[in-house]
Amino acid sequence: EAGVAQSPRYKIIEKRQSVAFWCNPISGHATLYWYQQILGQGPKLLIQFQNNGVVDDSQLPKDRFSAERLKGVDSTLKIQPAKLEDSAVYLCASSFSRGELFFGEGSRLTVL
Amino acid sequence: AQSVSQHNHHVILSEAASLELGCNYSYGGTVNLFWYVQYPGQHLQLLLKYFSGDPLVKGIKGFEAEFIKSKFSFNLRKPSVQWSDTAEYFCAVNEGSNYQLIWGAGTKLIIKP
Repeated sequence: EAGVAQSPRYKIIEKRQSVAFWCNPISGHATLYWYQQILGQGPKLLIQFQNNGVVDDSQLPKDRFSAERLKGVDSTLKIQPAKLEDSAVYLCASSFSRGELFFGEGSRLTVL
Repeated sequence: AQSVSQHNHHVILSEAASLELGCNYSYGGTVNLFWYVQYPGQHLQLLLKYFSGDPLVKGIKGFEAEFIKSKFSFNLRKPSVQWSDTAEYFCAVNEGSNYQLIWGAGTKLIIKP
């Protein structure tokens, strides 16, 4: 079974630039999550989709972050403009039931 | 608000030592409990989970965890650790009807060869 695919694995940008991350979940997984993981901390949920609808985006900084899952399959997370404190690993995960999540490799963002 | 506490941020052990990592949560209702592991340079993966039934759960690589409802705890154990167990371990909990996970801050485990 193919896992959760994410790209790019690494991205370095300057502050105020924009960046986009892509995620393709495991086939058949209706729920897709984007997490932010800062070094030394646990994952922080940014947004949760159920199919192509948003279930929870309460912790998404909407002035700069946006995410979409237009066809209920793959998803894109965008940051515009980036700030230094956005340096983190952005994790995509998908699940079928009960909150058992399957994670991608993550996209490591460095903002200079 | 629900929370998950992992008491030790860093643990250093020698090979063959026994391991116990603490996890406590604050929600009083029905919960699903998880331990995830992140090996150096790899993605988070599920180590073990508890939904219901036998409170002693066995996972991959010789790990087990015990759900003690009265103590709101789900501690992770391994009788004899190996150097390859060096990783960061995260406890996570969700409520029975809401599958959104609440995460602990993680415990970095270093095993000295």
